[in-house]
Amino acid sequence: NAGVTQTPKFQVLKTGQSMTLQCAQDMNHEYMSWYRQDPGMGLRLIHYSVGAGITDQGEVPNGYNVSRSTTEDFPLRLLSAAPSQTSVYFCASSQLSLGVAQYFGPGTRLTVL
Amino acid sequence: AQTVTQSQPEMSVQEAETVTLSCTYDTSENNYYLFWYKQPPSRQMILVIRQEAYKQQNATENRFSVNFQKAAKSFSLKISDSQLGDTAMYFCAFMKLAGAGSYQLTFGKGTKLSVIP
Repeated sequence: NAGVTQTPKFQVLKTGQSMTLQCAQDMNHEYMSWYRQDPGMGLRLIHYSVGAGITDQGEVPNGYNVSRSTTEDFPLRLLSAAPSQTSVYFCASSQLSLGVAQYFGPGTRLTVL
Repeated sequence: AQTVTQSQPEMSVQEAETVTLSCTYDTSENNYYLFWYKQPPSRQMILVIRQEAYKQQNATENRFSVNFQKAAKSFSLKISDSQLGDTAMYFCAFMKLAGAGSYQLTFGKGTKLSVIP
C-alpha cells in the first residue's frame, strides 16, 4: 500500500495562475479531506468528501475547488492563486467513522509570488 | 464552533526526563474524540494517541499517556523518558460528528517540543 500520496511536493506559482494539487489513496477510504498549515495556525480544514460525488466545505474554503469522481482521488484546485494561499497543503483519508485516525499525505509546499 | 487551545508554543525537555504538553478545548458536544498528532521535521503527520470522550480511563501508548479531564475540557499529553526522536511539533485535535454522517477535525496551533541531549 502506498497510503496517501500527494503531488507535487513543491510548487511555485505567480499570482493569478491556476493549478491542481493531486491527492490519491489506495486504502478504499470513504472520507478524504484537505488542510492547509500556516505558521502558528495549526491545520485548518479546506474541503472534505464522504464519498465519490459528495463534497463539502470546511473552515477555509474560499479560493479552492474540489471534486470527487472516484473513491481514490480528491484533487484540490486553485482557480486564481493569491499570495495568501502560500502554505503547506495536506491531504488526509480515513474510514468514515467517528473516532478513526486520519492518514496524512506528505504535504505540498506551495508558494505564490 | 469548536476551539482547541495549546497554550505552550514552545517547550524543551532534557533527554530521559518527562514533559507534559497542555491542551484545552471548548465544545457543547457529548460524543467526541481527542487526538495528539506529532509532526517531526520531515513534515509527516503521525498519530500519537487517541481518547474517546465517553471513556474515563486515560489512554496510554508506550511512553505516551494522556490526562483527560472531561469536566474541565482538558487533554494533556505526557511523554516519559523523552528521546531525541520526540523532537517535533505536537498538535492536539478534536473530532466530532458533522453533517451528512461525516465528521470534522479541529486542530490546535501546536507546541514545538525540543528534546535536549
